[in-house]
Amino acid sequence: GAVVSQHPSRVICKSGTSVKIECRSLDFQATTMFWYRQFPKQSLMLMATSNEGSKATYEQGVEKDKFLINHASLTLSTLTVTSAHPEDSSFYICSAEERSGPYNEQFFGPGTRLTVL
Amino acid sequence: EDQVTQSPEALRLQEGESSSLNCSYTVSGLRGLFWYRQDPGKGPEFLFTLYSAGEEKEKERLKATLTKKESFLHITAPKPEDSATYLCAVRPSRLTFGEGTQLTVNP
Repeated sequence: GAVVSQHPSRVICKSGTSVKIECRSLDFQATTMFWYRQFPKQSLMLMATSNEGSKATYEQGVEKDKFLINHASLTLSTLTVTSAHPEDSSFYICSAEERSGPYNEQFFGPGTRLTVL
Repeated sequence: EDQVTQSPEALRLQEGESSSLNCSYTVSGLRGLFWYRQDPGKGPEFLFTLYSAGEEKEKERLKATLTKKESFLHITAPKPEDSATYLCAVRPSRLTFGEGTQLTVNP
């Protein structure tokens, strides 16, 4: 299947700093990428949908000024957590959509564990 | 509102003991039901996509089936390495995930 990478896999930062997470589709072009966060023992919660060359669409309750998403190319999307606080500590997962006939399949990255001290 | 309910929440099996995981869904205009496997600390790994009732797909010890209201993930003669959380998701326009079933297979 298609491969999606994320970098970094783990990051620890001080409260108030900003953290950037990269998501890349390695062997296909992804017109749409998605960002999720996952708390322990919970399922994935969609944060935003990112289309190449346009502004991201955020889910209700997700602060767009805090979670900046840039989808600069067909293989790269970035999530920047601005002025991170301990409550932002979570597992962040991106996915990229590959068109497969009339339907699209999503492939997920390995996730980024963010810990804010 | 789209809803996905997975059962059971947790399942413990002995190696070789076959069983099934359930995913019940309510969605307006199904454009795919997806099964993923997630290991601790990792992103979901794609397993299957099912598009229409009656469809079945197999991969090694796993077999996924789909009806108009639910999907089953059958695990035949599981091994300890099958231990993981199995996630079901449906898609009208975007993925809606269930809470997952945590499967533990004991040797």
